[in-house]
Amino acid sequence: QVRVQESGPGQVKPSETLSLTCTVSGDSISSSRYSWAWIRQPPGKGLEWIANIYSGTTYSNPSLKSRVSIFVDTSKRQISLTMTSVTAADTAVYSCARLLGDGFNPWYFDYWGQGTLVTVSS
Amino acid sequence: DIVLTQSPHSLAVSLGERATISCKSSQSLLYRSNNKNYLAWYQQKPGQPPKLLISWASTRESGVPERFSGSGSGTDFTLTINSLQAEDVAVYFCQQYYSTLLTFGPGTKLDIK
Repeated sequence: QVRVQESGPGQVKPSETLSLTCTVSGDSISSSRYSWAWIRQPPGKGLEWIANIYSGTTYSNPSLKSRVSIFVDTSKRQISLTMTSVTAADTAVYSCARLLGDGFNPWYFDYWGQGTLVTVSS
Repeated sequence: DIVLTQSPHSLAVSLGERATISCKSSQSLLYRSNNKNYLAWYQQKPGQPPKLLISWASTRESGVPERFSGSGSGTDFTLTINSLQAEDVAVYFCQQYYSTLLTFGPGTKLDIK
């Protein structure tokens, strides 16, 4: 059974950097069949794919590309997300999920974490 | 970006009846080379993460009840829930993977009438 758990600070100040961690259990963190992704959902709004990492390469939503980076620590079975220069518009529930398909051809998400709410506020 | 629109925004259906949710894409999600539609459906119950129900527009995931079915092709897709059960109360949303810029529909909230 694949389990995905996000963790991170519940609040970040505007202009600072958001850092989140996703811990995976029950499955290999490295595979040619899938990558690991971050998705967010602002309060009352729809889901937005942020980025995913496959074989060490990050694929990002162009709207966020310059501010986002993902790192995989295979020894800890963790995927980390950092987002710089956050604003109130970045307030959202951030979720980690397994994304089937390869880096050039991502498909759909088959396992999701519960998500963690991040509020950007001073 | 491929924009997905869902209708209705919310609906209430009586237990045992059929619920139908529409997802329309701003461009075709059908890859002619393999004749596959690059669309998935998810269910999200309150306080829970999304659950994958259907991939490739009509392929039900393992363990998903047979009352859930997906249909459609190109730009118009439908999620049908037959014989609605109380545990089907959730938000349902579609997601396209035709483009590498993955996008989601806004979601449809399903309640019991």
